[in-house]
Amino acid sequence: DIVMTQSPDSLAVSLGERATINCKSSQSVLYSSNNKNYLAWYQQKPGQPPKVLIYWASTRESGVPDRFSGSGSGTDFTLTIRSLQAEDVAVYYCQQYYRTPRTFGQGTKVEIK
Amino acid sequence: QVQLQESGPGLVKPSETLSLTCTVSGGSIRSDYWSWIRQPPGKGLEWIGYIYYNGNTNYNPSLKSRVTISIDTSTNQFSLKLSSVTAADTAVYYCARDNSWFDPWGQGTVVTVSS
Repeated sequence: DIVMTQSPDSLAVSLGERATINCKSSQSVLYSSNNKNYLAWYQQKPGQPPKVLIYWASTRESGVPDRFSGSGSGTDFTLTIRSLQAEDVAVYYCQQYYRTPRTFGQGTKVEIK
Repeated sequence: QVQLQESGPGLVKPSETLSLTCTVSGGSIRSDYWSWIRQPPGKGLEWIGYIYYNGNTNYNPSLKSRVTISIDTSTNQFSLKLSSVTAADTAVYYCARDNSWFDPWGQGTVVTVSS
């Protein structure tokens, strides 16, 4: 299985400041034939299912605010929230779909400082 | 737009079989892949497996011996059976369209394994 490891487990950020979440895969999720990284990011608010924010490591899902951005390649990825809003308080997960079983990171909890 | 809704018993006894159904509305199940994912209380997400409309399946090896996912295209539903359950199978169970990433998701259903 491809193990996904996120850091930190939690972080507290002031409103309007930047939040950065890292995700590392135990093997590359870059498919060389199409140069695509098989990685997605989700946001999960309490009592709700996860919602996809980013796929192909950096493609923002329709309707997702542009303060959310994804970057990285190979084994190291980052989700950045450019200017944290109160509604961004949630747990964020990365997920690889390079290989089955599909696997998720353990989650990063984002709170307001 | 496509919506998913899970249904099934919220309480299952140890050693019995958990059975859930996901109803797809707003679109045909005759396309895409469809997955089950679970989340134990206060924990992260675990992919259980997916099914294609033609019945092809792929299961997580960690659960493969106990899992069966089936599909009924006439009712736009797919189902999960998990046998020989224990307390460790207590979780919120989600169904989702599997585009490789998961979108959309159902609201989830809580299943507790307890006597």
